[in-house]
Amino acid sequence: NAGVTQTPKFQVLKTGQSMTLQCAQDMNHEYMSWYRQDPGMGLRLIHYSVGAGITDQGEVPNGYNVSRSTTEDFPLRLLSAAPSQTSVYFCASSNTGNTIYFGEGSWLTVV
Amino acid sequence: AQKVTQAQTEISVVEKEDVTLDCVYETRDTTYYLFWYKQPPSGELVFLIRRNSFDEQNEISGRYSWNFQESTSSFNFTITASQVVDSAVYFCALTGSGTYKYIFGTGTRLKVLA
Repeated sequence: NAGVTQTPKFQVLKTGQSMTLQCAQDMNHEYMSWYRQDPGMGLRLIHYSVGAGITDQGEVPNGYNVSRSTTEDFPLRLLSAAPSQTSVYFCASSNTGNTIYFGEGSWLTVV
Repeated sequence: AQKVTQAQTEISVVEKEDVTLDCVYETRDTTYYLFWYKQPPSGELVFLIRRNSFDEQNEISGRYSWNFQESTSSFNFTITASQVVDSAVYFCALTGSGTYKYIFGTGTRLKVLA
């Protein structure tokens, strides 16, 4: 029962470096999304996708890029990491109106 | 616009006490869905319960129960006979019919003391 799988779980980056957080789901969900979680701010939506080839910006999209080439995969790219992007990142998937399921989280530190 | 408010930032209870977590929501949708998630210290987000706006009854699942009051736009979550393992941050969430947008509250940290 894989559900939503995201990697890596922990990552330390230097300012200016780029990286990709991987996310895959095996539930054939249409909707996939990336959230970041910061202390006292709950979950904030970065980008989302309602199907292969379709992506859109969420609440805090700056500095991040996404693509959705398949139903299963939805990677999140940090183009040029900044200390403000230090956060916990969650990938999630669902079908409309249904329960949203999360990956285990990725702890990212930018120094 | 949709909104979820969890006014309780942190709650502390002694083990075996009952505890209720408050959630107030705003939506213009006539059909919508409400959720509670648990985030234990290990960090993952675990789905707990879901309530459709058109369901007629509140439910109980083990030590968990929830009280949906559309008149006051509230969706409160109760843990009966709390245990130390219930210590976590709890998030309330809302989505509407036909939309993919999920709105989360800022969470309530529950500390259950032995």
